[in-house]
Amino acid sequence: AQTVTQSQPEMSVQEAETVTLSCTYDTSENNYYLFWYKQPPSRQMILVIRQEAYKQQNATENRFSVNFQKAAKSFSLKISDSQLGDTAMYFCASAVTIANAGGTSYGKLTFGQGTILTVHP
Amino acid sequence: DVKVTQSSRYLVKRTGEKVFLECVQDMDHENMFWYRQDPGLGLRLIYFSYDVKMKEKGDIPEGYSVSREKKERFSLILESASTNQTSMYLCASTNGRSSGLIYEQYFGPGTRLTVT
Repeated sequence: AQTVTQSQPEMSVQEAETVTLSCTYDTSENNYYLFWYKQPPSRQMILVIRQEAYKQQNATENRFSVNFQKAAKSFSLKISDSQLGDTAMYFCASAVTIANAGGTSYGKLTFGQGTILTVHP
Repeated sequence: DVKVTQSSRYLVKRTGEKVFLECVQDMDHENMFWYRQDPGLGLRLIYFSYDVKMKEKGDIPEGYSVSREKKERFSLILESASTNQTSMYLCASTNGRSSGLIYEQYFGPGTRLTVT
């Protein structure tokens, strides 16, 4: 079974500053993926960044980067130069491959509890 | 542009009513999902479908059923709504053919269901 824990229910940051959101996970799988999703107040969830567990290099996407510590099962998200549009709920998720009865596969996501990030002007 | 739509943003129903939540995706995705989102619990998988008429239970299927008659449409059904089913419901879809893409789920805007 997969578990994902986000221990920070709420965070706040000033515009242009840097903030780090924490996430820990537990899995018995060797092959898995990790994700950060963003859910703005309009509620449409979008993918921010993904990390393949077999890759040692931390993923980056513009102002968003991760600190992936595989041994510690930690996957934190760093947002640099925070912008007002970064205000949202952020979810950390792990994914493993599940074979279904139809012979294809899907990625089963397990989500953390979420962290509400507020960026102040 | 990738698009997943849900039939309603807000819905209010009475206890005991039959409720249908519909989701449509225009990406020709094989896999579709229904989640419920509750404060402090994150998203939990209710049901999953990998093909037309095919479905599998997720982590919390009790009290729900689903229907997938066409590839682009996936419906969540509450046979007899109860107050503990008041929640935000999110639909998602993903490519089922490419191993590199099966993990990236695209979400709809959500339906806020209130059962009174």
